Amino acid sequence: EDQVTQSPEALRLQEGESSSLNCSYTVSGLRGLFWYRQDPGKGPEFLFTLYSAGEEKEKERLKATLTKKESFLHITAPKPEDSATYLCAVYGGSQGNLIFGKGTKLSVKP
Amino acid sequence: GAVVSQHPSWVICKSGTSVKIECRSLDFQATTMFWYRQFPKQSLMLMATSNEGSKATYEQGVEKDKFLINHASLTLSTLTVTSAHPEDSSFYICSAGQSHRRDTQYFGPGTRLTVL
Repeated sequence: EDQVTQSPEALRLQEGESSSLNCSYTVSGLRGLFWYRQDPGKGPEFLFTLYSAGEEKEKERLKATLTKKESFLHITAPKPEDSATYLCAVYGGSQGNLIFGKGTKLSVKP
Repeated sequence: GAVVSQHPSWVICKSGTSVKIECRSLDFQATTMFWYRQFPKQSLMLMATSNEGSKATYEQGVEKDKFLINHASLTLSTLTVTSAHPEDSSFYICSAGQSHRRDTQYFGPGTRLTVL
């Protein structure tokens, strides 16, 4: 069964305290892994797409990496405005749909 | 990225009434639109996929007679929740894409439905 698991469920950091979020997946025929940011009461905002193991992408304080089994979203020196829920999704599988994880709720305190 | 809007952003209705949610693709022609539902602390779950001018394809467990989807144009899709009940209260999110690139979806801001 195609599945996406994100950990931790919630993460509280002090401003400037770097950390990583994990996304583990099982899917037949991965065709892409996506990271989104979701603010409360809003739709997902696209961050990155990764297509193959070893690929890395960066945007400001965020860096996403991909292996054959998982992806990491590294947050370097986070700021309070980085507080949000970060969603991971995979595209592939038998249905060819986006399959989402439950997200990691990140809180960054000043 | 493309801009997708939803209307209303939130709605409260009485049990047994029907509610219509609109999803508009503002700056590109969306041949495919997706409807998701998100319960608190849960993942986005795909409800249905609609292609312009065709009947929607519903995911397993989603009642097509309860969640009516219309995708009559390349810029507008509607989701009507018929005879809504409190258990239908959720956050409904649409996304727009093009049929040949199902991996690229542009998400709307969501609609919060509360059924009393």
